[in-house]
Parts: sequence; structure tokens; C-alpha cells
Amino acid sequence: GAGVSQSPSNKVTEKGKDVELRCDPISGHTALYWYRQSLGQGLEFLIYFQGNSAPDKSGLPSDRFSAERTGGSVSTLTIQRTQQEDSAVYLCASSRGTASTYEQYFGPGTRLTVT
Amino acid sequence: KNQVEQSPQSLIILEGKNCTLQCNYTVSPFSNLRWYKQDTGRGPVSLTIMTFSENTKSNGRYTATLDADTKQSSLHITASQLSDSASYICVVSARSNTGKLIFGQGTTLQVKP
Repeated sequence: GAGVSQSPSNKVTEKGKDVELRCDPISGHTALYWYRQSLGQGLEFLIYFQGNSAPDKSGLPSDRFSAERTGGSVSTLTIQRTQQEDSAVYLCASSRGTASTYEQYFGPGTRLTVT
Repeated sequence: KNQVEQSPQSLIILEGKNCTLQCNYTVSPFSNLRWYKQDTGRGPVSLTIMTFSENTKSNGRYTATLDADTKQSSLHITASQLSDSASYICVVSARSNTGKLIFGQGTTLQVKP
């Protein structure tokens, strides 16, 4: 079946602009996770959804970052007034549930470059 | 603080050789440990997952070990191939109902002909 897809694959934007990153999880997966991978750094948790609810937003680096999920499926990560330090690869993963034993399946990521 | 540390940071080996990557963690309460392979420009793909009671797991030429007492894991790659060139990430999950993962910084492996 289809895996996790993300769009766009690459995004170049000017400092100060807003960007939206999209994640399409595997059908039927109720849990969805957003991570950020900066150059030379490990993956960093941003936020997760169980259904349409986001119980844990603790990883969002600032109030310029927000995310939503609709219909228990597609999720959008929005970054307002982008800064150069926002440049990174943003990865999305989905899972059948939030139990720690469930496998997380990752999308290919969106590479964001803020100039 | 929950942490995962990997070594070495990078590694170059010749095709056909074996190698071993290391992972140390301080995550509590421990649920499971995973090794992921991440090709350049792609998302991570799971290789193995081990729970507390498992001390070894294989996936083809990849063999992971886990010592829950010393909180150490290793990933052994046998008879390396050029396609093994990638970043290998050790990921630990704490026992919770959130599914949050704690990632190591990865080991970048380059296999040369």
C-alpha cells in the first residue's frame, strides 16, 4: 500500500514569509508525528496527533510554529515569519496508534531552505 | 534526562567488510530500541526493534544486540555492500502512551568499492 507522503519535497522561501508543509499518513493510521532534522543534528520531536487532537505540542520551537490535522488524516505544519534557523528537513511519520510498541513509518521529508 | 548517544559519528569501510555501530542510552522507563537506516534524501526506515527481553535480532545482513543492564546496543553489518552507505540511527522509546521517540544523532556509514 501507499506509504507516508509529504509535499512539497523541497521549499525555498524568503525570510519572513509563511510556509505550509503537508503530510499524508498511511490510511488508517491514527497517530501522526512531526519531526525536524537540522544539518548535522538528530531528529527532534515537534508535535504529535492522536486523531485530530494534539496532546503534546512541547517540541514546537516557538509560537511561529503550528500544526493541525483534519479528518484524522492529512496534517499541515505551518511556520509563520520564517527565520533562517528554520532551515531543516521536516519529517512526518504515522503509526497505527500511540503505544510505544507501534512502528512509525516515515515520509521522505520536506527540505525547507530559508534565504 | 533521556538521551541516546551513538558512535562513531562516521565510518568508512571497504565493500565486503563487516562493521559494528554502537549506541548507549539513558532512557527510563525503557520500552524498546530500534535501529533505522536513512538513505540520503529519504525518511528513516526501520531495520530492527527490540524490547527489554530481547538481546539480539537479525534482519538479513543486519544484526542488532541489546544489553538492557548496561543500556547499550550495537548494530553489526556483515559483508557490506555499496547500498549500505547511509546514516544509521539508534532510537529509543520510553514506556508511555505517546509513542514519542528519542533519537541518536546517527552514524554515517560510507562503503567504498
